[in-house]
Amino acid sequence: EAGVTQFPSHSVIEKGQTVTLRCDPISGHDNLYWYRRVMGKEIKFLLHFVKESKQDESGMPNNRFLAERTGGTYSTLKVQPAELEDSGVYFCASSQARDRGNTEAFFGQGTRLTVV
Amino acid sequence: AQSVSQHNHHVILSEAASLELGCNYSYGGTVNLFWYVQYPGQHLQLLLKYFSGDPLVKGIKGFEAEFIKSKFSFNLRKPSVQWSDTAEYFCAVIRFGSARQLTFGSGTQLTVLP
Repeated sequence: EAGVTQFPSHSVIEKGQTVTLRCDPISGHDNLYWYRRVMGKEIKFLLHFVKESKQDESGMPNNRFLAERTGGTYSTLKVQPAELEDSGVYFCASSQARDRGNTEAFFGQGTRLTVV
Repeated sequence: AQSVSQHNHHVILSEAASLELGCNYSYGGTVNLFWYVQYPGQHLQLLLKYFSGDPLVKGIKGFEAEFIKSKFSFNLRKPSVQWSDTAEYFCAVIRFGSARQLTFGSGTQLTVLP
């Protein structure tokens, strides 16, 4: 079974440019989460999808960040325009529906974003 | 706001030494507790988790953790570390009844010297 996959693994962009990160969750997982780790800090929650609906986007830093999950499958996280402080590692995780009992979240390898 | 504290940022041990990494959380209600590990170049992996029942939980690769409710702690232990345990370790909490997002500690980098 394929795990959570994220693309790209690394991205270096200039301040003001746009970057789109992609996450493919484990097939059948309704829950999809985005997290971010800024260098030296803790991993912080950004938002949570249940299927195609945003369940909680309280962690999104500002309106330069836009997340979508078309058809409840893969998700994209767009940063437009990127700023220096957006640099960090962006993690995606997925888990089964809550009523399935096992709510373990499986993580992707992350996308390391560097804004210069 | 709920927070998770990991007291050690970097731990250096020799092989065969015993390990204990501290984790405390601030939320007073029911919580689910996790330890994740990230080996160099790899994704975050679940080491072990506590949902309910026996407060001493055993995970993969010989790790265990003890949930002490009165101390709001969930410390990770391993009696004898190996060089291959070199990695970053994250404690995380889910507050019961929340939207299930994880709140992470800042991580502890473990370096095991051969």
